[in-house]
Amino acid sequence: EIVMTQSPATLSVSPGERVTLSCRASQSVHSNLAWYQQKPGQAPKLLIYGASTRATGIPARFSGSGSGTEFTLTISSLQSEDFALYYCQQYDNWPPWTFGHGTKVEI
Amino acid sequence: EVQLVESGGGLVQPGGSLRLSCAASGFTFSNYWMHWVRQAPGKGLVWVSRINTDESSTKYADSVKGRFTISRDNAKNTLYLQMNSLGAEDTAVYYCARDPAHCSGGTCSSSAFDYWGQGTLVTVSS
Repeated sequence: EIVMTQSPATLSVSPGERVTLSCRASQSVHSNLAWYQQKPGQAPKLLIYGASTRATGIPARFSGSGSGTEFTLTISSLQSEDFALYYCQQYDNWPPWTFGHGTKVEI
Repeated sequence: EVQLVESGGGLVQPGGSLRLSCAASGFTFSNYWMHWVRQAPGKGLVWVSRINTDESSTKYADSVKGRFTISRDNAKNTLYLQMNSLGAEDTAVYYCARDPAHCSGGTCSSSAFDYWGQGTLVTVSS
């Protein structure tokens, strides 16, 4: 099973700041890596797939990078609506499909 | 508009059973792999099960293997999860999610889960 490790667990930031979230896979997942955003009481929402491709309707301030075992999600200028939980997920080697434990972006 | 709507959650006693449904609309349901993902209160996302387009292949997390059964009815555009022998550890919000996987020459590649339902809460308690 591929273990996904996200860091940090919590990130305290201010609106307008640049934010970088990290995700590490226990073995290579190539570029088969997705990022999801989840707000309280809501379902996860796909932000990034293929490590770097924005999903439909996702603002350009969200960008993803990396391949193999190291990945990054960057929010170039944090907006108030971006305060949420962010999960990475690998879909390269399955089953199981595995998620990181999440990074909470808070004020 | 793609929509996934789960139903069937509720309170069930330990050892009991429950059947979840996920009604799909706005896309050709039979063309997509479908998954169940769960989230215990205050915890992260955990994959539960996957079914391919024609039900010929199903996968399960070790924690539910032998107790849960995933199925689908492509004529009704509906995904199901039959859950038996439920325990407190199964308490969670259960989401269905769509996977636009690609299959070619007998080899299939999963993709990111591009649409999710709003979830249905399953509580296992006496």
